[in-house]
Amino acid sequence: NAGVMQNPRHLVRRRGQEARLRCSPMKGHSHVYWYRQLPEEGLKFMVYLQKENIIDESGMPKERFSAEFPKEGPSILRIQQVVRGDSAAYFCASSPPGSSYNEQFFGPGTRLTVL
Amino acid sequence: GQQVMQIPQYQHVQEGEDFTTYCNSSTTLSNIQWYKQRPGGHPVFLIQLVKSGEVKKQKRLTFQFGEAKKNSSLHITATQTTDVGTYFCAGWGAGNNRKLIWGLGTSLAVNP
Repeated sequence: NAGVMQNPRHLVRRRGQEARLRCSPMKGHSHVYWYRQLPEEGLKFMVYLQKENIIDESGMPKERFSAEFPKEGPSILRIQQVVRGDSAAYFCASSPPGSSYNEQFFGPGTRLTVL
Repeated sequence: GQQVMQIPQYQHVQEGEDFTTYCNSSTTLSNIQWYKQRPGGHPVFLIQLVKSGEVKKQKRLTFQFGEAKKNSSLHITATQTTDVGTYFCAGWGAGNNRKLIWGLGTSLAVNP
């Protein structure tokens, strides 16, 4: 059973470009979470999605950031017009349906560098 | 809003010494989870505690959940270099507060 997959693992963008990060949850998992981690810092919750629904986006910046988890295909975190401050590791985690209290399984992350 | 504080932020120990990290919530938690992140890696689930006063052990690691379900601790006995990493606690809010709140983590360095 493959774990959570994220791609790309490393992404370099110039200021003003768009960054598109993909996350394929574990098989059978319907809950997806996105986190941002700056170097030497903790995890910052961004958004929680279930299939075709955004459940909680309280951690997501209001502008330039969006997330989706379509019926088919991976979850996408999209950052438009990237700025240097967006440089960070972005982790996706998934958990199975049912109880909200399940453990979260993390992907390897996408390291975004904005030049 | 609900917060989970974790102390210390950093800890440097000699191999063989013990290590403890503490997690305190501003509100009662439904349960608490602990994760470990190795340098350059991603968080990996270690354990979940649900019951008031619960104690669980994994080899040299001992996890406790406070009686009031507002605090938790992770204790490592006789640290090894393989214990290096950042340990995060994350608590699910109780009642209608269904959100996983993360501590900022404790980074452990072990000198051989």
